[in-house]
Amino acid sequence: DVHLLESGGDSVQPGGSLRLSCAASGFTFSSYGMNWVRQAPGKGLEWVSTISPGGDKTHYADSAKGRFTISRDNSKNMVYLQMNSLRADDTAVYYCANLRFGYLGQGTLVSVSS
Amino acid sequence: QTVVTQEPSFSVSPGGTVTLTCGLSSGSVSTNIYPAWFQQSPGQAPRTLIYSTSTRSSGVPDRFSGSILENKAALTITGAQADDESDYYCVLYMGSGTSSWVFGGGTKLTVL
Repeated sequence: DVHLLESGGDSVQPGGSLRLSCAASGFTFSSYGMNWVRQAPGKGLEWVSTISPGGDKTHYADSAKGRFTISRDNSKNMVYLQMNSLRADDTAVYYCANLRFGYLGQGTLVSVSS
Repeated sequence: QTVVTQEPSFSVSPGGTVTLTCGLSSGSVSTNIYPAWFQQSPGQAPRTLIYSTSTRSSGVPDRFSGSILENKAALTITGAQADDESDYYCVLYMGSGTSSWVFGGGTKLTVL
C-alpha cells in the first residue's frame, strides 16, 4: 500500500522558517513527481508546489514563489518543503501528495502567529 | 488565471444518484489534465476517490465513478448514503509548462 507520512509542522512566529518532511513508501518513489498541497482553516485545498521525479524541475504557486523550496532525496524516499518568511496566511494543514495518481498523506499542521 | 469551477452545494436523497461537475473557466476538461476527486468529511483529512478521470482509488466503493461529461469532469455517486455527506474537491493539471495543479472550490453535498 502507498503511504505518505508528513512531519515537521509546528507553531512559528511571522517571519520564521519551517522544514516539512514527507516519508513515502509503497511505490517506486524515484519514478514519480511529488506535490505539496495545503488547506487553510475553513478553506479549500490549494496546490503549493511540484517536484519532478529526478528533482531537477520545481514549480510553485504564486503564494509560495520566492519563499518556499521543494526538494527530494530519492535515496531516502523523502520529499521536503522548506518554508521561509512565513506569514499568518500560510497557516494551514500541509499535505504531501502525488496528484497524478491520487496519493495523499494525512497532513501536518503549520500555525503562524505572534 | 484559470479557475476551476464546481457547484458550491448540492443535495441528494438517500439512495439517489447525484453528479457533481468540475469545469474550467476557459476551455474544456479532458482526460489529459488528469481530473481527480477528493472527499472530505468534517474534521477529517481529504481522501482520494478518483484519479486520472475515472480510476477509483484503493478501497473506494464502486458507487463512486468518474467521467468526462459535456467538457467537464464529473463525479457520480449512486445509491447515496448518509455518510456521503461531505465536501468534494476536484483538481486539474494545468500542463507541463507550469506543472501546476488547480483545485476547485469544492462542493458541499448534503444527503437528505
